[in-house]
Amino acid sequence: QQPVQSPQAVILREGEDAVINCSSSKALYSVHWYRQKHGEAPVFLMILLKGGEQKGHDKISASFNEKKQQSSLYLTASQLSYSGTYFCGTPTSGSARQLTFGSGTQLTVLP
Amino acid sequence: SQTIHQWPATLVQPVGSPLSLECTVEGTSNPNLYWYRQAAGRGLQLLFYSVGIGQISSEVPQNLSASRPQDRQFILSSKKLLLSDSGFYLCAWSVRPSGRAREQYFGPGTRLTVT
Repeated sequence: QQPVQSPQAVILREGEDAVINCSSSKALYSVHWYRQKHGEAPVFLMILLKGGEQKGHDKISASFNEKKQQSSLYLTASQLSYSGTYFCGTPTSGSARQLTFGSGTQLTVLP
Repeated sequence: SQTIHQWPATLVQPVGSPLSLECTVEGTSNPNLYWYRQAAGRGLQLLFYSVGIGQISSEVPQNLSASRPQDRQFILSSKKLLLSDSGFYLCAWSVRPSGRAREQYFGPGTRLTVT
């Protein structure tokens, strides 16, 4: 079951904040976040594990609410370099080896 | 440190021609290996994954196949390409999971255009 990401796209100015959500219809024990710049391969950002922990990567942080089966990615004081498509990935049912990715959120940061 | 290589970087092939894409990983042993396809402006579709030499699991029925002849080598093939095979092909690796899904690291990708 593919996780659902929202919004599909967001445009903001440098210095503004953004939130990207990822939700699943099934129980989750981890959520992965990746960023893909145009024409490049996805890059791993962080993994959130069961327990509601919040992790950070530079000014990008994320939370994981296992009860709501949802994760949110927070981009604070966005920089031009944050532009790209953000994907969340959740373990595929019945397998810890595979991830099912959401359809992505395209983030554009303007100067 | 670990690195992942893919080649070729770009490829233009006519419909009906064969395909061979190669992926190699350095700096790690016994990785899980994955092939994904990404259509233009779309998400990541898992095609194959492998947990060891000769062990391939297919996720999507299609005219593609994969092989893992060596521990750190993963090959994607087709005997006859279709127009719908066009896309960005990504190889990824992860360490063997120990009870939870592990992060995946992607190669630079191969952009395939079938004409």
